Amino acid sequence: AQTVTQSQPEMSVQEAETVTLSCTYDTSENNYYLFWYKQPPSRQMILVIRQEAYKQQNATENRFSVNFQKAAKSFSLKISDSQLGDTAMYFCAFMKHPSFTAGNNRKLIWGLGTSLAVNP
Amino acid sequence: DVKVTQSSRYLVKRTGEKVFLECVQDMDHENMFWYRQDPGLGLRLIYFSYDVKMKEKGDIPEGYSVSREKKERFSLILESASTNQTSMYLCASSTREGRGGNQPQHFGDGTRLSIL
Repeated sequence: AQTVTQSQPEMSVQEAETVTLSCTYDTSENNYYLFWYKQPPSRQMILVIRQEAYKQQNATENRFSVNFQKAAKSFSLKISDSQLGDTAMYFCAFMKHPSFTAGNNRKLIWGLGTSLAVNP
Repeated sequence: DVKVTQSSRYLVKRTGEKVFLECVQDMDHENMFWYRQDPGLGLRLIYFSYDVKMKEKGDIPEGYSVSREKKERFSLILESASTNQTSMYLCASSTREGRGGNQPQHFGDGTRLSIL
């Protein structure tokens, strides 16, 4: 069974600085997808960034980028130029490559989350 | 943009009541999910559905049931509410592609349910 581990329950960073959130996962699958989600306080969970395992290039979305190390099964999130609005709970999630017929082909395996505080 | 709407933001019910949580999505997504979120436990999948009238148990289905009579609506039912079901409940939906499949789940705002 797949598992996702986020080893940092809480982190803090000063505004404008860079912070990296760690995520490791365990799977025997070769093709899969990884996601980072963000949940601001009392607000909706939203997708930050996604990575396909067969792609070597690390995904980037503006100030958010990942360091995907497939052999090490590591998927860290780097937030550059941190802003107060980045204060949130961040969840790492794994999804194995769906098959045509499997009904549960969209289940996500979630980490427990990292609470990030951006301080002024 | 995908819109996932949960019927209530906050809900207070009594032990033993039958509770309905409703979720509607407007993007014709095939997959819909119900999670509960508790501090220190992350998101735990209760049930999911990949088609109308189809449902599969997630990791913690006990004490819950679901209904999906229409594609856009996925209801979570607490048959006889108990205090240990006090939690934040999140609904999500996603599309099912023939191949690929990196389509993310889109979430509603959540329902904070308190069982007294």
